[in-house]
Amino acid sequence: RKEVEQDPGPFNVPEGATVAFNCTYSNSASQSFFWYRQDCRKEPKLLMSVYSSGNEDGRFTAQLNRASQYISLLIRDSKLSDSATYLCVVYLGGGFKTIFGAGTRLFVKA
Amino acid sequence: GAVVSQHPSWVICKSGTSVKIECRSLDFQATTMFWYRQFPKQSLMLMATSNEGSKATYEQGVEKDKFLINHASLTLSTLTVTSAHPEDSSFYICSARASGGRGYEQYFGPGTRLTVT
Repeated sequence: RKEVEQDPGPFNVPEGATVAFNCTYSNSASQSFFWYRQDCRKEPKLLMSVYSSGNEDGRFTAQLNRASQYISLLIRDSKLSDSATYLCVVYLGGGFKTIFGAGTRLFVKA
Repeated sequence: GAVVSQHPSWVICKSGTSVKIECRSLDFQATTMFWYRQFPKQSLMLMATSNEGSKATYEQGVEKDKFLINHASLTLSTLTVTSAHPEDSSFYICSARASGGRGYEQYFGPGTRLTVT
């Protein structure tokens, strides 16, 4: 089992749609969680950290479920500019290792 | 967010030569820096983790004598690809984790696209 698993997609959605991504992690001792986005041929950029209480940033909402060991990202009112690969990231702590999921590709179409 | 620079942004070199890539954290001190490689349409692959002032920890399958990492200061890490071969052509990305109050977020440099001919 991979340490961090994501549905690779691609997700093809129309503008204005709501789309949700899930990510599962295997190590119950994981400490911190993040969502990054990566545009084609660019570096990953931090989208948001994920807190136990859930957090929202504009159209983006992240949730963490420690009991089930999954993280979710919800994008409302999708824009064309949201098209990217979304990476689920888990920090294990201890030896400073951060695990990146393989990413979920999103295409938002007009 | 924090800024990480990487230089050069792209490089073309001949097989057998060495290439040095620099990664700098511009507005924060990075106790830990990471080097990744990404092939087209594939996910990031962690190559090594380096902590300032100590030897890098390499991931399984990454040759430490081929990919030399130096993390000489809290703002600079370098990756040298020695005796580069065409199969080393890839997108190399560094990232830095701040010490102290910024938590555990990693900030990425813009990447270096290496082509070995």
